[in-house]
Amino acid sequence: DAGVIQSPRHEVTEMGQEVTLRCKPISGHDYLFWYRQTMMRGLELLIYFNNNVPIDDSGMPEDRFSAKMPNASFSTLKIQPSEPRDSAVYFCASSPGTAGNTIYFGEGSWLTVV
Amino acid sequence: AQSVTQLGSHVSVSEGALVLLRCNYSSSVPPYLFWYVQYPNQGLQLLLKYTSAATLVKGINGFEAEFKKSETSFHLTKPSAHMSDAAEYFCAVRAATRGGADGLTFGKGTHLIIQP
Repeated sequence: DAGVIQSPRHEVTEMGQEVTLRCKPISGHDYLFWYRQTMMRGLELLIYFNNNVPIDDSGMPEDRFSAKMPNASFSTLKIQPSEPRDSAVYFCASSPGTAGNTIYFGEGSWLTVV
Repeated sequence: AQSVTQLGSHVSVSEGALVLLRCNYSSSVPPYLFWYVQYPNQGLQLLLKYTSAATLVKGINGFEAEFKKSETSFHLTKPSAHMSDAAEYFCAVRAATRGGADGLTFGKGTHLIIQP
């Protein structure tokens, strides 16, 4: 199994630019999660989907952030416009349907906004 | 709502010594508990999980954890530390919901340092 695949792995962008992070979950998993990791705030759940439908986006920091899941094999997290405080590692993760199942993480997208 | 508290942001042990990483949780429903490990510049890898079967759970790399409901704890242990165990360790809780499940709520993490 290829695991959760994220792209890009690293991105450096200028403040004000649009950033799009991409994720391909493990085939057959019906939950998809977006997390953000920073030194100050640790691992934060931004949003998660069940069967391509957003269930809880209460962790999305502000309107500059948006996430979509147009089909079961693809999701995007977009930041527009980006700010230096958005610099972080963004993880995508997926799992099968119940709470006892393991959530599998991608390798992360390392974002630096200058 | 769920929360996790990891005592000690940094733990240092000698190679060959016992590793003990502490985790306490709070959950309004029966919890599912997880320990993940993160090596530098990598993603998170599952070490072990508690899903209401056996209270003593064995994981990869010689780690184990015991679920103690009375103490709301899920501490991670390893009898003998190895240099390769140096990493960041995260305890996390997940709850079942009426429609399925929610996401993981993580503790702040514990950085494990192994002294030669």
